[in-house]
Amino acid sequence: GAVVSQHPSWVICKSGTSVKIECRSLDFQATTMFWYRQFPKQSLMLMATSNEGSKATYEQGVEKDKFLINHASLTLSTLTVTSAHPEDSSFYICSARDDASSGNTIYFGEGSWLTVV
Amino acid sequence: KNEVEQSPQNLTAQEGEFITINCSYSVGISALHWLQQHPGGGIVSLFMLSSGKKKHGRLIATINIQEKHSSLHITASHPRDSAVYICAVTGGGADGLTFGKGTHLIIQP
Repeated sequence: GAVVSQHPSWVICKSGTSVKIECRSLDFQATTMFWYRQFPKQSLMLMATSNEGSKATYEQGVEKDKFLINHASLTLSTLTVTSAHPEDSSFYICSARDDASSGNTIYFGEGSWLTVV
Repeated sequence: KNEVEQSPQNLTAQEGEFITINCSYSVGISALHWLQQHPGGGIVSLFMLSSGKKKHGRLIATINIQEKHSSLHITASHPRDSAVYICAVTGGGADGLTFGKGTHLIIQP
């Protein structure tokens, strides 16, 4: 079946540094990808919608200058957490919508655990 | 914005029991998803529904569009079914998914 690869699975970084997370659709094209965040014992929350070739759409309360999203190809979207702080420590997960499906077939990446120390 | 409510929040059952998890939402949707999240965080998409009923192995998902309600059933539950089950919807003005808080299921041997 369709696979979305997310990398890295785990990352620890120092406060003030930037971290990049990749989300790649391996066997399908995805014009639209989504980035979510999940704090411990809380539900997943949509951060932004990433559209290939255009600027991402951010949800209310998500700083676009802090969470940089680039969707330069139909198979790759990246999320860069800039000037990371401990409060950014969270589980980040992406999903990708299969362009060839009828519209709502979405596949999830494995997620990335970010710890900022 | 859609509000997604799941019940129960936590469920512990014995192996073999029939399990039901419920989900209700507030605004019309284009699709509803049932997801399974394992302790490591990885998410597996179980079902995507826009109407009716779907079955996959021991899992059954139903949706009632008029009542804005969906159920996920697990027959002959097994300890390996232990996970967090999440209901998520798309549509109703939103492009990405709106998630319920999840149901933490534990199946004891």
